[in-house]
Amino acid sequence: GAVVSQHPSRVICKSGTSVKIECRSLDFQATTMFWYRQFPKQSLMLMATSNEGSKATYEQGVEKDKFLINHASLTLSTLTVTSAHPEDSSFYICSALDSSQGYQPQHFGDGTRLSIL
Amino acid sequence: GQQLNQSPQSMFIQEGEDVSMNCTSSSIFNTWLWYKQDPGEGPVLLIALYKAGELTSNGRLTAQFGITRKDSFLNISASIPSDVGIYFCAGQSSNTGKLIFGQGTTLQVKP
Repeated sequence: GAVVSQHPSRVICKSGTSVKIECRSLDFQATTMFWYRQFPKQSLMLMATSNEGSKATYEQGVEKDKFLINHASLTLSTLTVTSAHPEDSSFYICSALDSSQGYQPQHFGDGTRLSIL
Repeated sequence: GQQLNQSPQSMFIQEGEDVSMNCTSSSIFNTWLWYKQDPGEGPVLLIALYKAGELTSNGRLTAQFGITRKDSFLNISASIPSDVGIYFCAGQSSNTGKLIFGQGTTLQVKP
């Protein structure tokens, strides 16, 4: 149980392109989803928290207009990196949990490697 | 942002040896978690700790939640090559569900 699927697993695109990453909970209702960014040899840094049906809450220093998050259903959240530039290249990982059951441990997707040329 | 202090940063051990890593925090957490991350993949939950002083095992893995709720350790006994990876501790907020991660411990096991 508690399977989280992330797509695509890898994206390579030109600077200025907008990229959408999907995060799906396959066997539970994800009332809350989290988006993280991880640079090489570093830990995961939380970017934003999204609750189904409401606006995402962004961590300090994360540009909300740059990283658009939509959580329109209980099984899907999307992160769109708008007008991506080389400095946005990173490993993006989502996680999900059903907060209606109390804050159980987060379960993670397999990540998306984003490379901006 | 806020991080937990995790040590050691890396370990290189012989197969069969035991391993220990720990995390400390200046803040109290009600839940401590240990994850393992393989290259190019997301973290996988190993052990979850909910009670101060709790000692929990998962196969060859054992973790304890400190009495003060500000620290935890993870032990791996009789290491094998597939134990290679990065191990992260994480404290979870009971109010928001957010995780704060340690810096990670990179484990390498020599066959």
